[in-house]
Amino acid sequence: SQTIHQWPATLVQPVGSPLSLECTVEGTSNPNLYWYRQAAGRGLQLLFYSVGIGQISSEVPQNLSASRPQDRQFILSSKKLLLSDSGFYLCAWRFRQGPGNTIYFGEGSWLTVV
Amino acid sequence: DAKTTQPNSMESNEEEPVHLPCNHSTISGTDYIHWYRQLPSQGPEYVIHGLTSNVNNRMASLAIAEDRKSSTLILHRATLRDAAVYYCILSTGAGSYQLTFGKGTKLSVIP
Repeated sequence: SQTIHQWPATLVQPVGSPLSLECTVEGTSNPNLYWYRQAAGRGLQLLFYSVGIGQISSEVPQNLSASRPQDRQFILSSKKLLLSDSGFYLCAWRFRQGPGNTIYFGEGSWLTVV
Repeated sequence: DAKTTQPNSMESNEEEPVHLPCNHSTISGTDYIHWYRQLPSQGPEYVIHGLTSNVNNRMASLAIAEDRKSSTLILHRATLRDAAVYYCILSTGAGSYQLTFGKGTKLSVIP
């Protein structure tokens, strides 16, 4: 069976500091990978998605970036955090074939920028 | 991208059926309709999905209008554990297969 893990679960970072959130998927290969963000009381915002190693598509221009150094590893980064980067970050994966496939989410990472 | 429209919130009494509506008037022929729900401080979880025909599973039923411009998620007997935000989303037929979530419907279940 497939599993998805992301970490850290919670972090508090000062404004201007760097960020690295990591996500890995086990039990499958060539998944589509996603990073979403959810601000307090808001819906889910798609930030990045990837259909393969080194292939990243950005949905929202901002000071965040994503990388996929390995097939089942997805990393969300920032060089300098802003207060507005606070939120609940979710990594997700999906089988590549077909729009009928389910998307599976990780446990989420709470980021508070102070 | 095809978008969906859902009521911001709904209430239901415990053990009664709940019908959560979703409008998607710009849906294309190859778009699947997905429903997910999100409990507080958790990632969304899959509920059900369909293309044209009504679908049933252990969690819920999905009723899709004949013209596919709307759908309804049916919880047959609401429990307190069903209190969550429910998202209706369309899965595009484009190669990226991205899923874009709206704000969803917050379902409150009254004991």
